[in-house]
Amino acid sequence: SQKIEQNSEALNIQEGKTATLTCNYTNYSPAYLQWYRQDPGRGPVFLLLIRENEKEKRKERLKVTFDTTLKQSLFHITASQPADSATYLCALGGGAGKSTFGDGTTLTVKP
Amino acid sequence: EAGVVQSPRYKIIEKKQPVAFWCNPISGHNTLYWYLQNLGQGPELLIRYENEEAVDDSQLPKDRFSAERLKGVDSTLKIQPAELGDSAVYLCASSFGQGELNEQFFGPGTRLTVL
Repeated sequence: SQKIEQNSEALNIQEGKTATLTCNYTNYSPAYLQWYRQDPGRGPVFLLLIRENEKEKRKERLKVTFDTTLKQSLFHITASQPADSATYLCALGGGAGKSTFGDGTTLTVKP
Repeated sequence: EAGVVQSPRYKIIEKKQPVAFWCNPISGHNTLYWYLQNLGQGPELLIRYENEEAVDDSQLPKDRFSAERLKGVDSTLKIQPAELGDSAVYLCASSFGQGELNEQFFGPGTRLTVL
């Protein structure tokens, strides 16, 4: 069956460091992959999308990689700030606009 | 510009009672989604609409859940009767267009507690 795995434990890092979150999947061939941010009590907010034929995508302090051979995406936040503390969700996109979400990784950036 | 609006934000009911959630998507977004999110988990799709047509309702428990989007704009999700296991956050999202590359805009969700 299809499975999406994100960092199994919460991630705690020091301000200014680079946070790296992982998204691994099995039994899935996504056409694209998205990353969302979710704060407590709020809905997810879209951050980045990367297509299956793209290796890397950047947006300001964010960088996403997508390795379809390893079936893995890495999400990096450089120069992290306490305001980056949130839960980050990856979502795999298949045909006809359907996305399947992982369970998320909670990131805490300490000042 | 207003985002996705959901109401109510919180609902507490006793088991076996009915409950309804309302969602108004971003103006011009023809695709509307209802998700269920349990604590510590990612959103799970319940139903997806393209305009007024339900194009994916394979994960909707049809014995007790129903949804409608009569005019292709706002939507209502209903549970009747509610069970203890239905306690969760119900998220509505909308996007423009169909198919791939659909950035979804989420509402704040309705937190349902079934006692």
